[in-house]
Amino acid sequence: GAGVSQTPSNKVTEKGKYVELRCDPISGHTALYWYRQSLGQGPEFLIYFQGTGAADDSGLPNDRFFAVRPEGSVSTLKIQRTERGDSAVYLCASSLKVSGRDEQFFGPGTRLTVL
Amino acid sequence: KNQVEQSPQSLIILEGKNCTLQCNYTVSPFSNLRWYKQDTGRGPVSLTIMTFSENTKSNGRYTATLDADTKQSSLHITASQLSDSASYICVVGDSTSGTYKYIFGTGTRLKVLA
Repeated sequence: GAGVSQTPSNKVTEKGKYVELRCDPISGHTALYWYRQSLGQGPEFLIYFQGTGAADDSGLPNDRFFAVRPEGSVSTLKIQRTERGDSAVYLCASSLKVSGRDEQFFGPGTRLTVL
Repeated sequence: KNQVEQSPQSLIILEGKNCTLQCNYTVSPFSNLRWYKQDTGRGPVSLTIMTFSENTKSNGRYTATLDADTKQSSLHITASQLSDSASYICVVGDSTSGTYKYIFGTGTRLKVLA
């Protein structure tokens, strides 16, 4: 595709529910990153994939958060037993490969609201 | 703790004026430093990427500088335009043990007035 796409653009859910957020990276990009951005803050690293494997998941806040990328392309961020504090914009980015110079291209984000 | 701090938090300037945004970081070991522009409701867009060996990088009216010794960077915007109104985020790459994790500052919100 032309850029990174994320669906849904907005998700409203109730406390305790399960949600899945999807990211479609730019075709051919092997690296994929998930970030969380709260209002007025910069994005906070959650996890990144190199191919199908999670190369670094140290940013996931707790075991309610999980992400997969089974075929090395589309990724899904899964949040179990959602809490009000999970409300944020979840951003996905992809780059051609993981390196110190590769540009990350960001999607528009999914705005998650937990009531 | 690795941190990236930006100043000012917000800035208002008149169209056509220049401005400089600051970024101080404590990330170590340092891999690279990036500046992003983020419009409201959109994902960040890369402006410049610098490794530790580079001390300046330009992209049109945007010029970033880096002093890896003092761990400071700046983003200079020349002849500002209304479309420059956005948040500007400084991002530092942490290359610990071969991983590439990026630490974002909280951003400077720039408003350009006609």
